[in-house]
Amino acid sequence: DAKTTQPTSMDCAEGRAANLPCNHSTISGNEYVYWYRQIHSQGPQYIIHGLKNNETNEMASLIITEDRKSSTLILPHATLRDTAVYYCIVLLYNQGGKLIFGQGTELSVKP
Amino acid sequence: NAGVTQTPKFRVLKTGQSMTLLCAQDMNHEYMYWYRQDPGMGLRLIHYSVGEGTTAKGEVPDGYNVSRLKKQNFLLGLESAAPSQTSVYFCASSPAVYEQYFGPGTRLTVT
Repeated sequence: DAKTTQPTSMDCAEGRAANLPCNHSTISGNEYVYWYRQIHSQGPQYIIHGLKNNETNEMASLIITEDRKSSTLILPHATLRDTAVYYCIVLLYNQGGKLIFGQGTELSVKP
Repeated sequence: NAGVTQTPKFRVLKTGQSMTLLCAQDMNHEYMYWYRQDPGMGLRLIHYSVGEGTTAKGEVPDGYNVSRLKKQNFLLGLESAAPSQTSVYFCASSPAVYEQYFGPGTRLTVT
């Protein structure tokens, strides 16, 4: 599995866009990029995933570079409730969905 | 729908005791997973199941056993609890290999 590198922590002002980067320079062609988040003491929550193209849903946007070696999760208008640890995970489709969580990025949204 | 539920929410065990954690999902998902999360760390996969009657080992399976006799339930057993198994245990389910839905967690302390 490709390993991911994320900053340990980030701050964002409430109402502004939060851009969370992730490096996955050893990703292979058939590995997907997933994002989950974990709000304090709760179970992780799925946010979004993608393979090559940029993706958007009601929660966030995922921008994957053309060489697929890095990606950025964008929360367009961060709120205090978006304060959480965000995990970037790379996964093969046929691995039974075995998520491997790294340390993640602790995002603090401040008023 | 209740989603993914876990029983019990909290438990304290003495070294050498046994217990079973129950995970139940009402979404008719094929895949189910057990993770553990130690303080300050990401989740680690213990065991998983890709369908009723099947189980497979994850990253950290030692000291645990699982069973998936019914599609909606996934049981995690500790035969002889050790202090190193003090952790928060999360169960998840998935309709396929993409989005996993997590339960609220079970906080286990082994003294």
